[in-house]
Amino acid sequence: ETGVTQSPTHLIKTRGQQVTLRCSSQSGHNTVSWYQQALGQGPQFIFQYYREEENGRGNFPPRFSGLQFPNYSSELNVNALELDDSALYLCASSLGQGEVEQYFGPGTRLTVT
Amino acid sequence: AQSVTQPDIHITVSEGASLELRCNYSYGATPYLFWYVQSPGQGLQLLLKYFSGDTLVQGIKGFEAEFKRSQSSFNLRKPSVHWSDAAEYFCAVVSGGATNKLIFGTGTLLAVQP
Repeated sequence: ETGVTQSPTHLIKTRGQQVTLRCSSQSGHNTVSWYQQALGQGPQFIFQYYREEENGRGNFPPRFSGLQFPNYSSELNVNALELDDSALYLCASSLGQGEVEQYFGPGTRLTVT
Repeated sequence: AQSVTQPDIHITVSEGASLELRCNYSYGATPYLFWYVQSPGQGLQLLLKYFSGDTLVQGIKGFEAEFKRSQSSFNLRKPSVHWSDAAEYFCAVVSGGATNKLIFGTGTLLAVQP
């Protein structure tokens, strides 16, 4: 069974640029959640996708957007990058909408300069 | 609103000593609670979880946690710490609602002295 994978591992971008992060969910999981973990903080919920639809969103501006594909993989897009967007971005998948147990990927470290 | 508090930002213990990491939560109903561990530059690994039933739950790597409703606590314990346990530990509660998103504490960084 393949776990949650994320790409790329590390990324460096310049303020104002756009970035796309990718996540492949665990086999059989149709729900993907994205979290942002700033340095020295716990992860914070960005949004969740269930069967290709956004299912809920945390306190993040609209320049954070996402997609989920028919194979349940997902993308996180961030436009107009700001220095404060520098963080570890974690993807988590779960068996279905409302499932409480989530399985995390290794994360993508984004640095904005 | 639901929240998680981890009062200890940083803890140092000697190898072989016992460990207790504190976690307090705020949640109206019976909570679903988790402890995760994160090694430097890594993602989150699930140590253990509490959904219901026995309030003492066993996890991986010799960790256990006890749910105490009266104290709104879910403290993590290990009787004898190994150097490889040095990492950051996060307590989390499920928020409920449509997403059942996780709400995390700010974490406790554990250092292990030889």
